[in-house]
Amino acid sequence: GAVVSQHPSWVICKSGTSVKIECRSLDFQATTMFWYRQFPKQSLMLMATSNEGSKATYEQGVEKDKFLINHASLTLSTLTVTSAHPEDSSFYICSAVTADQPQHFGDGTRLSIL
Amino acid sequence: QKEVEQNSGPLSVPEGAIASLNCTYSDRVSQSFFWYRQYSGKSPELIMSIYSNGDKEDGRFTAQLNKASQYVSLLIRDSQPSDSATYLCAVIVGPTGGGNKLTFGTGTQLKVEL
Repeated sequence: GAVVSQHPSWVICKSGTSVKIECRSLDFQATTMFWYRQFPKQSLMLMATSNEGSKATYEQGVEKDKFLINHASLTLSTLTVTSAHPEDSSFYICSAVTADQPQHFGDGTRLSIL
Repeated sequence: QKEVEQNSGPLSVPEGAIASLNCTYSDRVSQSFFWYRQYSGKSPELIMSIYSNGDKEDGRFTAQLNKASQYVSLLIRDSQPSDSATYLCAVIVGPTGGGNKLTFGTGTQLKVEL
């Protein structure tokens, strides 16, 4: 149980491109989804918290106009990195949670901007 | 003071030994604690959750929580080379019901040597 699917797993694109990453909870309805970013040899940094049907809550220092989050249903959240630049290259990971259950993570998306 | 602190390691143990991973947290009212395992290039995988003082055992893993000392640990018995990974301590800072937002430690790298 508690399977979270993230797609795509790897993206390589040119600078200036917008990239959309999907996060789906496959066997449960997620009340909340979280988006993290992880740079090499560093821990996970929370970018934003997403609740179905409402605006995402962004952490301090995360540009909400650059990292667009849509949470249209209880099983799907998307993160769009707009006008991506090389400094946005990172490992992006989503997680989903329901009620007071622990967070379960997707497999992550490795984003490389050339 | 960081909210969740871990020794970054690496912690090296011989195969078959007990690996002991430690974590301290700063918010005294935190109620929910988790250990995640992260292999290089992969997303975190939930190993254990613990909410009450004392020990919680699951197979070769035992989580220990001492709220008075604000300390949580993970013991891995009969360590195997496949246990080599980074272990992340995560805490829901504040009382339960705070939106399940996790605060991660920086992780401890464990190396199990043959």
